[in-house]
Amino acid sequence: ELKVEQNPLFLSMQEGKNYTIYCNYSTTSDRLYWYRQDPGKSLESLFVLLSNGAVKQEGRLMASLDTKARLSTLHITAAVHDLSATYFCAVVRDMRFGAGTRLTVKP
Amino acid sequence: KAGVTQTPRYLIKTRGQQVTLSCSPISGHRSVSWYQQTPGQGLQFLFEYFSETQRNKGNFPGRFSGRQFSNSRSEMNVSTLELGDSALYLCASSLVAGLNTEAFFGQGTRLTVV
Repeated sequence: ELKVEQNPLFLSMQEGKNYTIYCNYSTTSDRLYWYRQDPGKSLESLFVLLSNGAVKQEGRLMASLDTKARLSTLHITAAVHDLSATYFCAVVRDMRFGAGTRLTVKP
Repeated sequence: KAGVTQTPRYLIKTRGQQVTLSCSPISGHRSVSWYQQTPGQGLQFLFEYFSETQRNKGNFPGRFSGRQFSNSRSEMNVSTLELGDSALYLCASSLVAGLNTEAFFGQGTRLTVV
């Protein structure tokens, strides 16, 4: 059974700091999504990673995919309060989501 | 361009009742997927429809069913509701099937079973 594990599940950061969220999955897949969810809201697509070695950046967020290691990362640079949300990775093959990382950025 | 529209937004039902949720995809999108989100189980895939055919199904009991119409609109039905069915039900649409293209999510229907 496909498993998608995110860590950490909870992350409290100071503004201006950098951090990385990890997404490990247990089967072969060359595509992966990252989503953001604000409290009480739906999911917003952040990145679609379509191949091994794919790297995408949007503002302070950068996502990468290593299909050989079955690992995707979401790197946060110089965090700001507006980034506070829950971030999910999803493996495309079975649309299996990770448990989510609840990020809180404090001043 | 209108996004994915789910109706109703909120629903309260009693155990044993049935419920139907509706999802209108983005214009031109032919694939609709449904997900259940709960604090305990997280986001779980229910099923995917494309061209009125179910293409993928998650691990849910037969009480959960769906269908898609010729205009790509989709409905999800849950029969004999249980307390554990209380959740946010999310619908996502994408251009094609196979979950290989970007999926856009609706605002969800929050179902409470009492």
